[in-house]
Amino acid sequence: QKEVEQNSGPLSVPEGAIASLNCTYSDRGSQSFFWYRQYSGKSPELIMFIYSNGDKEDGRFTAQLNKASQYVSLLIRDSQPSDSATYLCAVNTGGFKTIFGAGTRLFVKA
Amino acid sequence: EPEVTQTPSHQVTQMGQEVILRCVPISNHLYFYWYRQILGQKVEFLVSFYNNEISEKSEIFDDQFSVERPDGSNFTLKIRSTKLEDSAMYFCASSESTRGANVLTFGAGSRLTVL
Repeated sequence: QKEVEQNSGPLSVPEGAIASLNCTYSDRGSQSFFWYRQYSGKSPELIMFIYSNGDKEDGRFTAQLNKASQYVSLLIRDSQPSDSATYLCAVNTGGFKTIFGAGTRLFVKA
Repeated sequence: EPEVTQTPSHQVTQMGQEVILRCVPISNHLYFYWYRQILGQKVEFLVSFYNNEISEKSEIFDDQFSVERPDGSNFTLKIRSTKLEDSAMYFCASSESTRGANVLTFGAGSRLTVL
């Protein structure tokens, strides 16, 4: 059974701080890794994806991938109250199916 | 910005009735998907569709479910004889390619309530 595991949270950080979200996956054949953000009652929207080991930065967001440890993380710098949402880690093994974790709820306090 | 459009936004039905959820994927996307999310739970893959046929399906996608692309734009999910446990948000998604990163663009979802 291929799994994607995340801490459900909530993770609470003050405005302006760095939020760190983590994810582990079970299938070593996984090829691409995604972070989606989901506001309550809304659909997931892509923040960024990564498929090579190391870091990938996009504005305030940095995704980190360590395939040896089967670990993906997302750092959000200068967190804003508008970043308060559930962050979904998702993994694709190269086929048509993307598997989602249950998400980590992030709360940014103003 | 191109978007995936889903209708209806909310449907209430009686147990045992048939439901059709509709989606218009992004026009230049070739791969189409249905996911569902039961309230408070994770987003679950149901089915993918490419070149007018199912390319992959999950164990959830049993004989009760079917998908169709009846014309050049619509992509539908039919649920026959709905059960209480089918109550969920159903998301349609599309992607340009599965090569490299298979980036999914989701529609706003159709909330199905089975009474």
